[in-house]
Amino acid sequence: GIQVEQSPPDLILQEGANSTLRCNFSDSVNNLQWFHQNPWGQLINLFYIPSGTKQNGRLSATTVATERYSLLYISSSQTTDSGVYFCAVERYTGNQFYFGTGTSLTVIP
Amino acid sequence: DTGVSQDPRHKITKRGQNVTFRCDPISEHNRLYWYRQTLGQGPEFLTYFQNEAQLEKSRLLSDRFSAERPKGSFSTLEIQRTEQGDSAMYLCASSPLAGTGLYEQYFGPGTRLTVT
Repeated sequence: GIQVEQSPPDLILQEGANSTLRCNFSDSVNNLQWFHQNPWGQLINLFYIPSGTKQNGRLSATTVATERYSLLYISSSQTTDSGVYFCAVERYTGNQFYFGTGTSLTVIP
Repeated sequence: DTGVSQDPRHKITKRGQNVTFRCDPISEHNRLYWYRQTLGQGPEFLTYFQNEAQLEKSRLLSDRFSAERPKGSFSTLEIQRTEQGDSAMYLCASSPLAGTGLYEQYFGPGTRLTVT
């Protein structure tokens, strides 16, 4: 399988601060998604981003597939951003996703 | 479109009992996945269906685990003779029709299993 490493493992931010989460993967992939897991365990889709850059409000993501990494940017963080952020990659289209171990984000008011 | 649904949301069972979980994917999604997530870890793949065909199974899926998707719509995951190590969150995901060029996976709320 593919190894997916996320950093940092834990992050504590003051409300309003910006942050960058990183995802490294060990082999070429066809697909990559970023998820936010809320305290109730629901995985919420943030970005489907096998390559390039996307933005959605205060969040943006960049994947450089040739260098095997992806970045998730959170700007002007809010307490509702707290939770665990997962990167997941798919080696062959339509097959299983391999997840990283996540970045646990806590935003304090 | 109400998203992926799972039932039950929580299940507490005694060791040795059998349990069955259900997943209803987003309508028109023909691919369905099962994952297992333990505390502090990311989800781990268990098995995958395209329509009613089970195309891939993880080594994590021991003989006590079986999954079905009889009509290519909802799916069930059964665990026989549960063990304490089976305690985890069981997640279901679906993704759109093969050949559409759309591959994003959408997850349900999960079933949290506790084996006592």
